[in-house]
Amino acid sequence: DIQMTQSPSSLSAFVGDRVTITCRASQDISNYLAWYQQKPGKVPRLLIYAASTLQSGVPSRFSGSGSGTDFTLTISSLQPEDVATYYCQRYNIAPLTFGGGTKVQIK
Amino acid sequence: EVQLVESGGGLVQPGGSLRLSCAASGFTFDDYAMHWVRQTPGRGLEWVSGISWKSGSIAYADSVKGRFTISRDNVKNSFYLQMNSLSPEDTALYYCAKDAGGGWSRFDYWGLGTLVTVSS
Repeated sequence: DIQMTQSPSSLSAFVGDRVTITCRASQDISNYLAWYQQKPGKVPRLLIYAASTLQSGVPSRFSGSGSGTDFTLTISSLQPEDVATYYCQRYNIAPLTFGGGTKVQIK
Repeated sequence: EVQLVESGGGLVQPGGSLRLSCAASGFTFDDYAMHWVRQTPGRGLEWVSGISWKSGSIAYADSVKGRFTISRDNVKNSFYLQMNSLSPEDTALYYCAKDAGGGWSRFDYWGLGTLVTVSS
């Protein structure tokens, strides 16, 4: 099965900073990658799919890139409401594996 | 408005069984695949099982294969997870999630979850 590895597992940054999270697949998954945001005590929310397509209603400071095995989620200007854990997920073929998550905090 | 409401969680002894249900509304249920995802504090999100729009495709995580069974009732707009031979490692918050398509795609809506605790 394909493994999804996220890095870092946690990060702390200042409001306004550019934040980048990496997700690596153990095999080529083309662009079948989604990113989710889970705020503390809340349900996961779809942010990005097809590696770079923003889900409706998601702020434009979020962006995704990559294909094949290496993907990134970027927050162009970190806001206090972005404090959350972010997960990548491969899809299209089961098992629909999630990465281990990246916890983003404000300094 | 899409709504997914899980039920059926609770406390069960190791080796026991539970049946989770997810009631869906606000969309044409039989057009979409549906999934179960679980979460524990130490293990993040784990996809458990999925069922395609007409039950033609079903898949399970290796960790539950042979013990869990997913099913759906397109008349009742509901789907289910029968969980047998439960172990403490199955303790988690179980979410149902709507697929964005008829088969294995991203998850665009999630329920609030139902808690399963396996303990003696």
